Amino acid sequence: DTAVSQTPKYLVTQMGNDKSIKCEQNLGHDTMYWYKQDSKKFLKIMFSYNNKELIINETVPNRFSPKSPDKAHLNLHINSLELGDSAVYFCASSQPQGKAFFGQGTRLTVV
Amino acid sequence: DQQVKQNSPSLSVQEGRISILNCDYTNSMFDYFLWYKKYPAEGPTFLISISSIKDKNEDGRFTVFLNKSAKHLSLHIVPSQPGDSAVYFCAASYFGNEKLTFGTGTRLTIIP
Repeated sequence: DTAVSQTPKYLVTQMGNDKSIKCEQNLGHDTMYWYKQDSKKFLKIMFSYNNKELIINETVPNRFSPKSPDKAHLNLHINSLELGDSAVYFCASSQPQGKAFFGQGTRLTVV
Repeated sequence: DQQVKQNSPSLSVQEGRISILNCDYTNSMFDYFLWYKKYPAEGPTFLISISSIKDKNEDGRFTVFLNKSAKHLSLHIVPSQPGDSAVYFCAASYFGNEKLTFGTGTRLTIIP
């Protein structure tokens, strides 16, 4: 039973399209995150939600919009995709000051 | 500004020997440190953590050491096993700021 699951695992799309990545956690955690791993393999926080409320929004283009319908779900919607958005996106969840559990990642390729 | 650094991109160790992975940080506010292991096409998996009130934490073959004055931590794996071959990320956070700041990772290869 996967703790943090995200779909899809692979996503190939054309420039200019809009796409969404879904994430669900069954750990009962209050906090969920989106991280981006770029071509240099650097893992960087994008957003953090606590109990459906946005608490961290790093300097991410506003084409990226997270949505948390409830505390177990945090989806990422990306408008007008650009080549530079190609990366692996990881969803994670944790309790405050606790270890974060990560999903398997979504490899997004924009062509 | 890279607040968490792993200066060795790769490390090769013979099976059965000790693997030592290093991590340096610059932000004095960090008070919680973690190590994650990552296999290809998978998400990072939590390995071990340490709070700044401690200088050592051990879990089986894995031990993390923290030197606050040097702003340095290390992960020791002993004995190293082939299944330990992966990329290891050091991460840090502090109370009130829940995000993890990651290092760039060290690829560990265990040679049979």
